[in-house]
Amino acid sequence: SQQGEEDPQALSIQEGENATMNCSYKTSINNLQWYRQNSGRGLVHLILIRSNEREKHSGRLRVTLDTSKKSSSLLITASRAADTASYFCANPNRGGSNYKLTFGKGTLLTVNP
Amino acid sequence: DGGITQSPKYLFRKEGQNVTLSCEQNLNHDAMYWYRQDPGQGLRLIYYSQIVNDFQKGDIAEGYSVSREKKESFPLTVTSAQKNPTAFYLCASSIGGGGAADTQYFGPGTRLTVL
Repeated sequence: SQQGEEDPQALSIQEGENATMNCSYKTSINNLQWYRQNSGRGLVHLILIRSNEREKHSGRLRVTLDTSKKSSSLLITASRAADTASYFCANPNRGGSNYKLTFGKGTLLTVNP
Repeated sequence: DGGITQSPKYLFRKEGQNVTLSCEQNLNHDAMYWYRQDPGQGLRLIYYSQIVNDFQKGDIAEGYSVSREKKESFPLTVTSAQKNPTAFYLCASSIGGGGAADTQYFGPGTRLTVL
C-alpha cells in the first residue's frame, strides 16, 4: 500500500507566490525524498531529508520533517511558471532484505504566469 | 553522457501479445527498478533488482517478467496475462548496496497502449 500521501492533490497559484505541499507517511523512516515530474516525463530527484534532520534547503526549496507527526512539507518560494509539475514524496521501506521506495500519488502544481 | 535510457518512447500492442520494454543505464548502479504509472496516479513498483542475476517482485508483479543478466540492463516484459497493460512505464536505478534506499534516477518512460 502507498505509504506517502501528498496533500493537496492539486494546487494552483500565481507566479511569484509560494507553494506548500504536504506529505504524510505511516511507518518509521530513515529518510524521506521529494521528486518532481513534468508531464509525460520521468521523475527528477529534488531533495532528501534524513530522519534526524528537521529542515533542509536547496535553492528555492525548503523541506521540513516532523517525525512525531509522520509528516513532511515541501515549500517552493517565489514560484515560476516552469515549476508547474507533479511533486511526489517517497519513503523507504523494507522489501525482504532490501529497501525500496514507496511513492505517494503526488500533488499537481500549476503556476499561472 | 551518463544516464538512464528507455526505449521505445511509445509502444502499441495488440491484445494477446507479449512486449518487452528496454531499460539501460551507464551510471554503474547496482539497483534497478520498474514502475507503472496510471493517469493521475502515483508510481507502483512492479519489479526491482538489487544486483545482477537477482530480482524481487514489487507490489504489482502479476503479468510482468524481468531479467537482470547484465548490470546495465533491466528489460521488462509485459505478458498477455497482464489484463490492463495500458500505462506509462518508468525505469529507475540507484547506487544500491542493500542499505537504506537512496536516490533514484529515472528514465524518460515508455507509454504502452493496447489496441
